[in-house]
Amino acid sequence: DTGVSQDPRHKITKRGQNVTFRCDPISEHNRLYWYRQTLGQGPEFLTYFQNEAQLEKSRLLSDRFSAERPKGSFSTLEIQRTEQGDSAMYLCASSRATGSSMNTEAFFGQGTRLTVV
Amino acid sequence: GDSVTQMEGPVTLSEEAFLTINCTYTATGYPSLFWYVQYPGEGLQLLLKATKADDKGSNKGFEATYRKETTSFHLEKGSVQVSDSAVYFCALPNQAGTALIFGKGTTLSVSS
Repeated sequence: DTGVSQDPRHKITKRGQNVTFRCDPISEHNRLYWYRQTLGQGPEFLTYFQNEAQLEKSRLLSDRFSAERPKGSFSTLEIQRTEQGDSAMYLCASSRATGSSMNTEAFFGQGTRLTVV
Repeated sequence: GDSVTQMEGPVTLSEEAFLTINCTYTATGYPSLFWYVQYPGEGLQLLLKATKADDKGSNKGFEATYRKETTSFHLEKGSVQVSDSAVYFCALPNQAGTALIFGKGTTLSVSS
């Protein structure tokens, strides 16, 4: 098992452009999470999937953000009409969990660093 | 709402020094508590956890005890190494148990 992988690792884009990030979770992990981390802050929850269903979205996830997990495996996070405030590290995590418990370990990818210029 | 407060860094220590990174939390009930570590250029990794009051989580020489009386989960290590240089995050689940709430992180720098 190679862990959670994210692609790309870095992305520089011009304001107003759309960007898409990909996350491949650990195989057979049913939960997948997206977080955003800005400089000097801890990760902030954006959204999570249980299999292919998106079950929760944070208030941080504006209408310009959309996430999918079409077959319950990899996930994509798209940001439309990027703004400079979107510059951050976008982290993906996965876990094998049952019920609503977060007692099981979440495994994180290395993140995608987005810079909007 | 639920939250986590960590001591601000950076924390700068010499090798073999004693480490404490304070973490206090506000939560409904008694959630599990976690410490994650982020080494330079790597993703967050679970360092240790405690699932109920008075539990002690431990790993790689690090320890933290779940103290409900003081709502704290301080991270300690008796003798730090240069390789412990990283950012440390305290975390707990949100009320729904669906995601983690992280502190702002504490940067530890250990010199030889």
